[in-house]
Amino acid sequence: EIVMTQSPATLSVSPGERATLSCRASQSVSSNLAWYQQKPGQAPRLLIYGASTRATGIPARFSGSGSGTEFTLTISSLQSEDFAVYYCQQYNNWPQTFGQGTKLEIK
Amino acid sequence: EVQLVQSGAEVKKPGESLRISCKGSGYTFITHWITWVRQTPGKGLEWMGRIDPSDSYTNYSPSFQGHVTISADKSISTAFLQWSSLKASDTAMYYCARLRYSSGWPDSWGQGTLVTVSS
Repeated sequence: EIVMTQSPATLSVSPGERATLSCRASQSVSSNLAWYQQKPGQAPRLLIYGASTRATGIPARFSGSGSGTEFTLTISSLQSEDFAVYYCQQYNNWPQTFGQGTKLEIK
Repeated sequence: EVQLVQSGAEVKKPGESLRISCKGSGYTFITHWITWVRQTPGKGLEWMGRIDPSDSYTNYSPSFQGHVTISADKSISTAFLQWSSLKASDTAMYYCARLRYSSGWPDSWGQGTLVTVSS
């Protein structure tokens, strides 16, 4: 199965600053990649699919890029509600697989 | 509004059986596959399998094949995840999610069902 590796494991950023999260696939997943946000006690929430398409209702400060094996999620100006754990997920191959997550914390 | 509502938390003993549920509303249930995802602190998020509610065709991840059964009852817009003999290692949070299409991404998630298996 495809292994998804996220970096860093923890990212400390101040509110209002930019955050850049990375995700690498062990083999090409084309653009079949999604990003999710998870807050404590909640289910994951879809942010991005197709590597760069924002899901319905997701603010424009969230953007995704990349294809093949290298992907990035950028949050342009962090708001208090953005501090959470972020997961990437490939759906190019079965079984679909998730990264281990990046925890975005307040600096 | 699309909603997936899961059954409540369960506490079971090893060897017991269990079935948890996921009821869809706000959309036509048979038009979207449902998947089940396990979350544990140690292994993170793991795909378990998926089902087409229109005909109950299922796929399982190799890691879960033979250990769980996924089913659906389209007459009540509900999918199920079932164990015949629980183990302590099945302790986890379980999420159902609606797939955008059969091999696509999950676009709506249930709230999760916490399963605790302990003697």
